Amino acid sequence: LAKTTQPISMDSYEGQEVNITCSHNNIATNDYITWYQQFPSQGPRFIIQGYKTKVTNEVASLFIPADRKSSTLSLPRVSLSDTAVYYCLVGDTGRRALTFGSGTRLQVQP
Amino acid sequence: GAVVSQHPSRVICKSGTSVKIECRSLDFQATTMFWYRQFPKQSLMLMATSNEGSKATYEQGVEKDKFLINHASLTLSTLTVTSAHPEDSSFYICSARIRGGLETQYFGPGTRLLVL
Repeated sequence: LAKTTQPISMDSYEGQEVNITCSHNNIATNDYITWYQQFPSQGPRFIIQGYKTKVTNEVASLFIPADRKSSTLSLPRVSLSDTAVYYCLVGDTGRRALTFGSGTRLQVQP
Repeated sequence: GAVVSQHPSRVICKSGTSVKIECRSLDFQATTMFWYRQFPKQSLMLMATSNEGSKATYEQGVEKDKFLINHASLTLSTLTVTSAHPEDSSFYICSARIRGGLETQYFGPGTRLLVL
């Protein structure tokens, strides 16, 4: 499975746009990119998933360049409730489980 | 949709006892479920992959005789921690993969286990 590298932590203020970039240089052809959000003492919550280009849903946008060696999760206008750990994972859609890296701890301040 | 539940949400037990944790996919069928463990301030670590109707596949270093997994149906997998010890205290999280499409993994809310 492709290894991912993310910043350990990020700080932001309410109302700002936050972009978290993840590097996955060894991503395979069949791998998808998935982002999860986790609050303390809760299971990870699915945010967004994509294969290439741009994906947008009601929560976030995911930007994936043509070489797919990185991806950027964009959270528009964050609020205090967006303070959490964000995980970037890559993997294929077979039976293998997703492997978690260290994640990015986002702290949103008023 | 895509809701995964776990029961109990937290459990406290004495050392040497066994604890069973249930994981259910509420609105979809999951041929494959996964069990993770998470220690404080750490990331999730995969323990095992549970396939309906067959034996679970355990990750290296996870004792299969200690962590018994049973995937009895397409919506239920159970993890039993046998003869629990204080070092087994952790946050246990299951996930299920939806069949078809991108087969995204959805996670349960987790079970906090404290062994005294």
